[in-house]
Amino acid sequence: EAQVTQNPRYLITVTGKKLTVTCSQNMNHEYMSWYRQDPGLGLRQIYYSMNVEVTDKGDVPEGYKVSRKEKRNFPLILESPSPNQTSLYFCASSSDRDLALAKNIQYFGAGTRLSVL
Amino acid sequence: QQQVKQSPQSLIVQKGGISIINCAYENTAFDYFPWYQQFPGKGPALLIAIRPDVSEKKEGRFTISFNKSAKQFSLHIMDSQPGDSATYFCAASTDSSRGSEKLVFGKGTKLTVNP
Repeated sequence: EAQVTQNPRYLITVTGKKLTVTCSQNMNHEYMSWYRQDPGLGLRQIYYSMNVEVTDKGDVPEGYKVSRKEKRNFPLILESPSPNQTSLYFCASSSDRDLALAKNIQYFGAGTRLSVL
Repeated sequence: QQQVKQSPQSLIVQKGGISIINCAYENTAFDYFPWYQQFPGKGPALLIAIRPDVSEKKEGRFTISFNKSAKQFSLHIMDSQPGDSATYFCAASTDSSRGSEKLVFGKGTKLTVNP
């Protein structure tokens, strides 16, 4: 089954304690991204990656890091989480084939709900 | 600056009624307009999409209407059902080799269909 898998689904942590949210896709997609979803603000892109070792900032990158060492994995790292990073996070992937056809179809994971106390 | 404005924020419709969600954009470089549907506890999933060279696209009970001159597009859900209750996001992306990977989302509309 084609899917984007995020872990953990739920996470409660404290301010300043480093954490990593993992994301893996089995569709051999080149493009991956991270979003955060907040009430009334919709989905905002944090970081994206066009391929292995190629990443770039989205709209709200402050306080986050990413890496893309393998094509299937795109972890999101919060080095020093703060309460304003409490949110619902989604990983998504897209294929270059679709993007070349100007069809930006993003496949989303089920989400990670993060609470920073 | 919000590039895609979506309204209403929430919508309550009776079963069998028509649900209408509207979006407006400013960037004329946008060339692909998808709608995503999100159920509670799930990630968004592509519902239907349109390009500006057509004015309407229909898939089952879901129809996108597109008005290029007004820079507006809307989602119509005919014969709305309780199972359609979800949050709907409109989005837009550009048709270019660099930038087509960037998808800009509206803020979402929470649709509730009462039985």
